[in-house]
Amino acid sequence: QKEVEQNSGPLSVPEGAIASLNCTYSDRGSQSFFWYRQYSGKSPELIMFIYSNGDKEDGRFTAQLNKASQYVSLLIRDSQPSDSATYLCAGLSGGSYIPTFGRGTSLIVHP
Amino acid sequence: DGGITQSPKYLFRKEGQNVTLSCEQNLNHDAMYWYRQDPGQGLRLIYYSQIVNDFQKGDIAEGYSVSREKKESFPLTVTSAQKNPTAFYLCASSIEGRSNYGYTFGSGTRLTVV
Repeated sequence: QKEVEQNSGPLSVPEGAIASLNCTYSDRGSQSFFWYRQYSGKSPELIMFIYSNGDKEDGRFTAQLNKASQYVSLLIRDSQPSDSATYLCAGLSGGSYIPTFGRGTSLIVHP
Repeated sequence: DGGITQSPKYLFRKEGQNVTLSCEQNLNHDAMYWYRQDPGQGLRLIYYSQIVNDFQKGDIAEGYSVSREKKESFPLTVTSAQKNPTAFYLCASSIEGRSNYGYTFGSGTRLTVV
């Protein structure tokens, strides 16, 4: 059973701080990972994709992948109240085209 | 602008009634998917289709049916056999039948049983 685990939160951080969202996965065959942001009542939108060990940066977002330890993280620098949302982690195994989604972590950025 | 259009945004179903959720995309994506999302739950796959006139069951296909007669369209029917259909339904599409580039989601349909 492929599983992607996320702490449901909520994770509460002050405005301007770094928010760190974590995700672990059980399938060692997972090769690539996605982070989606979902505002309350809205649909998810893709914000990051990573497939290599290490860090990938895009603006205020940094995705980190450690395949040996089977975890993926998303760092949000200079957090803003507009970042308050649920963040979904998804993993994709090689040879598959259906990702496994985690349940998401709720992030609250308070002024 | 390219994207995925889901309609209606809100839908109310009476007991024993079949209802159909529309999903149309103009992204020229080959693959399309239907997910169900319940409060506090992750996304659960209902059906997916890689090419026209072909589709496969996902993890929770019972009580649902789909068709893929056109590349652009992937409607979902929630039948009376689905005993707990109240949920947020999301349609998604991806390039080349693989989600290496991630999904593009529609805005969703919120279905409520009345």
